[in-house]
Amino acid sequence: GENVEQHPSTLSVQEGDSAVIKCTYSDSASNYFPWYKQELGKGPQLIIDIRSNVGEKKDQRIAVTLNKTAKHFSLHITETQPEDSAVYFCAASVSGSARQLTFGSGTQLTVLP
Amino acid sequence: GAGVSQTPSNKVTEKGKYVELRCDPISGHTALYWYRQSLGQGPEFLIYFQGTGAADDSGLPNDRFFAVRPEGSVSTLKIQRTERGDSAVYLCASSLNVPGAEGYTFGSGTRLTVV
Repeated sequence: GENVEQHPSTLSVQEGDSAVIKCTYSDSASNYFPWYKQELGKGPQLIIDIRSNVGEKKDQRIAVTLNKTAKHFSLHITETQPEDSAVYFCAASVSGSARQLTFGSGTQLTVLP
Repeated sequence: GAGVSQTPSNKVTEKGKYVELRCDPISGHTALYWYRQSLGQGPEFLIYFQGTGAADDSGLPNDRFFAVRPEGSVSTLKIQRTERGDSAVYLCASSLNVPGAEGYTFGSGTRLTVV
């Protein structure tokens, strides 16, 4: 089955700096890659996703890049703010199949004021 | 409702007891998922419903775990003879069942503690 690895497990940045989180996946059939933000005591919230027919997607301060050949994808957050502090999860799925998501182990992002 | 609702938010039970966890999906969402999240880990898939039927239950760890969705809306996850290793946050999510559907909407979860 699919295996998703996520790095780093913790990341601290100064407010205003950029943050990058990286994930790799094992199943070449995976074609849908969402990113979730989870705050303490809450469920994961979708922040951005990308499908395998595009290499990059951007939404304001957040961008995701995908390299299908290398089977890795990354989340980029620019101009970080204290409210960006949370745990971020990447995930992978084969659209059209059982639609289950395989998640990475998460990155605790701390934005220091 | 506006979001996915899960009850209770917290449940403490004794080892060996039976528990039921409830999920109310977003109105109109035909797909419903259960995931389990252990401390410091990402969510792990348990079961997926399309309408009333379990389309994929390959993530259920053993036969102590069972889930139903009798009317295609509310779902209940049932755990028999609970063990301390069952302690985790159980997350429910729902989504529209359309081709190329976007990501799930998760509930806030039920934190289960088996003592």
